[in-house]
Amino acid sequence: GQQLNQSPQSMFIQEGEDVSMNCTSSSIFNTWLWYKQDPGEGPVLLIALYKAGELTSNGRLTAQFGITRKDSFLNISASIPSDVGIYFCAGQLSYGNEKLTFGTGTRLTIIP
Amino acid sequence: NAGVMQNPRHLVRRRGQEARLRCSPMKGHSHVYWYRQLPEEGLKFMVYLQKENIIDESGMPKERFSAEFPKEGPSILRIQQVVRGDSAAYFCASSPSGSSEQFFGPGTRLTVL
Repeated sequence: GQQLNQSPQSMFIQEGEDVSMNCTSSSIFNTWLWYKQDPGEGPVLLIALYKAGELTSNGRLTAQFGITRKDSFLNISASIPSDVGIYFCAGQLSYGNEKLTFGTGTRLTIIP
Repeated sequence: NAGVMQNPRHLVRRRGQEARLRCSPMKGHSHVYWYRQLPEEGLKFMVYLQKENIIDESGMPKERFSAEFPKEGPSILRIQQVVRGDSAAYFCASSPSGSSEQFFGPGTRLTVL
């Protein structure tokens, strides 16, 4: 089945730094979504991407749908303590109501 | 507008017992998905349901697991004769028709003793 690999696996940064993470797939996806999960909670949707090459922002977060449709990127600018958590990418083979394939996650920690 | 609701939040069962997990989708959402998450891993798809129909159960184990989404009431994920390997967090998500965006509940953490 499809696999989504995220890198880095974990990040240790200082408050105020910018963060970049990516997600790569062995096959094409036509929809990409990014979620954040806090400990003991369910994933929260951050950004959805529907078109190859698309760049979408949500506040300090910016995500891009890769041209090859096999990757996606998430950037966080000027990190703050509440950005701590695990970030997951998720892909769908097409647009609409169908299952999501999740990545392996990137754990973000902010060093005081 | 209430989000996706799941109960119980925590469930402890002994080996061989049955576990029943409930999910109420967001208002106006008719599509429900169940995912399983093991510690330190991503979520794995189990099953996708609409009212009274199972649309995709490609991620469901062949035995002991079943799911339903009746005309009235919440969606239920049932695990019969639980084993220790069933211990995990089970998440439900819902979406409106025609949308890729899935909204997740807080999960049910199942522990099998």
